[in-house]
Amino acid sequence: KAGVTQTPRYLIKTRGQQVTLSCSPISGHRSVSWYQQTPGQGLQFLFEYFSETQRNKGNFPGRFSGRQFSNSRSEMNVSTLELGDSALYLCASSSSVGGVETQYFGPGTRLLVL
Amino acid sequence: GESVGLHLPTLSVQEGDNSIINCAYSNSASDYFIWYKQESGKGPQFIIDIRSNMDKRQGQRVTVLLNKTVKHLSLQIAATQPGDSAVYFCAENGIYDYKLSFGAGTTVTVRA
Repeated sequence: KAGVTQTPRYLIKTRGQQVTLSCSPISGHRSVSWYQQTPGQGLQFLFEYFSETQRNKGNFPGRFSGRQFSNSRSEMNVSTLELGDSALYLCASSSSVGGVETQYFGPGTRLLVL
Repeated sequence: GESVGLHLPTLSVQEGDNSIINCAYSNSASDYFIWYKQESGKGPQFIIDIRSNMDKRQGQRVTVLLNKTVKHLSLQIAATQPGDSAVYFCAENGIYDYKLSFGAGTTVTVRA
């Protein structure tokens, strides 16, 4: 099976711009989660989607949003970019069976905000 | 707030020796624990998991131990190899939590 794929892999934006990141989960996985990874804060949960519905959301401002499509692919959007949004954005997918599930991560999108 | 944390930020180990990476968690409601390995430029890679109704689980060259009494999790790597050099994270979640909480990570460096 192909793993989780994320596009683009690298991105450079300037403050005030917006960005959209894309994630394709492992085939058959219906749950997609997004995480932000920075040297200072580590890995932090952004949100999780299942069947196009957001089931949980982390403590991030409203500038961070996401959505999931009927084919389980997901996008996240960050509006009005700030320098502190520079990070590695990771997507993870899981089968969401039995209430606890193993999440498998993609390679991430590295975003640099100038 | 509740969090999952690792005891040591770095660990240097001689090739061929066994490695032990520790993690303390504070959420007593945690039900599921996972160890991930992250190499430079890559996303976290699943190593092994354990559920709260177990104390020990073994994989290929890796063993995870869970002590719920003291809320402690450890990852043991047998016969550490250069390819084991990476950052190791413990993560946890509760049933129907739909998110993982990660520790800060331990950087393992294998000496030849």
